[in-house]
Amino acid sequence: NAGVTQTPKFQVLKTGQSMTLQCAQDMNHEYMSWYRQDPGMGLRLIHYSVGAGITDQGEVPNGYNVSRSTTEDFPLRLLSAAPSQTSVYFCASSSFPSYNEQFFGPGTRLTVL
Amino acid sequence: DAKTTQPPSMDCAEGRAANLPCNHSTISGNEYVYWYRQIHSQGPQYIIHGLKNNETNEMASLIITEDRKSSTLILPHATLRDTAVYYCIVRVAGGGSNYKLTFGKGTLLTVNP
Repeated sequence: NAGVTQTPKFQVLKTGQSMTLQCAQDMNHEYMSWYRQDPGMGLRLIHYSVGAGITDQGEVPNGYNVSRSTTEDFPLRLLSAAPSQTSVYFCASSSFPSYNEQFFGPGTRLTVL
Repeated sequence: DAKTTQPPSMDCAEGRAANLPCNHSTISGNEYVYWYRQIHSQGPQYIIHGLKNNETNEMASLIITEDRKSSTLILPHATLRDTAVYYCIVRVAGGGSNYKLTFGKGTLLTVNP
C-alpha cells in the first residue's frame, strides 16, 4: 500500500491564483481530513470528510473548499490564494470503527507571494 | 478536549530510555491519551494510545497515572531516528463528531550520540 499520498510536494503561487492540493489514500478509509501547520504552531484542522459525499468544516476553513466524490480522494482547493495561506498542508485518513490511528501524508509546502 | 501540558524540549542519550511526560489534569472519564510524533518535515505518525491501563507496542510504552491526570511515553532504547516533536493529545475515541486531533506545540526530543 502507498498509504496517504499528496501532490505536489512544493508549490509557489501568486496572490489571487487558484490551485488544488491533491490527497489520495489506498486503505479504503472512510475518514479523511486536511490540516495546516504554520511555524511554531501545531496542526490546525481545515476540513474533514466522513465518507464520499460528506464534508464538514474544521477550525480554520475560510479560503478553502473541499469535495469528496470517491472514498480514495479528498482534494483541497484554494480559490484565491492569499499570503496568509502560506503553510505546510497535511492530509490524513483513518478508518471505522475506532479512528484511533490517523495516517498522515508527507505534506505539501505552499508559498503564496 | 482536555488541555495537555508538555515540556518544550528534552534531551536523551542514544541507547537510553526516553521518558516524555504529559499533564492532562482536566481529562474526562471517556477521554483517551494519544501520542503522535513528527519527524522534521514529515507528516505526524501515530505511536500509541490508552485509556487507563498501561499500554505497550513495538514502538513505545504508555504509562498513565491512576488518577489519569498525567502520563509518560517511554521509548525504551532511543535512537537518533527518534529525534522528533512528540505530541500528547487527549480526546474521546471513536467517530461521531470526535475525529479532530488537537495538536499543541509538543516536546522536541533530541537524541544525542
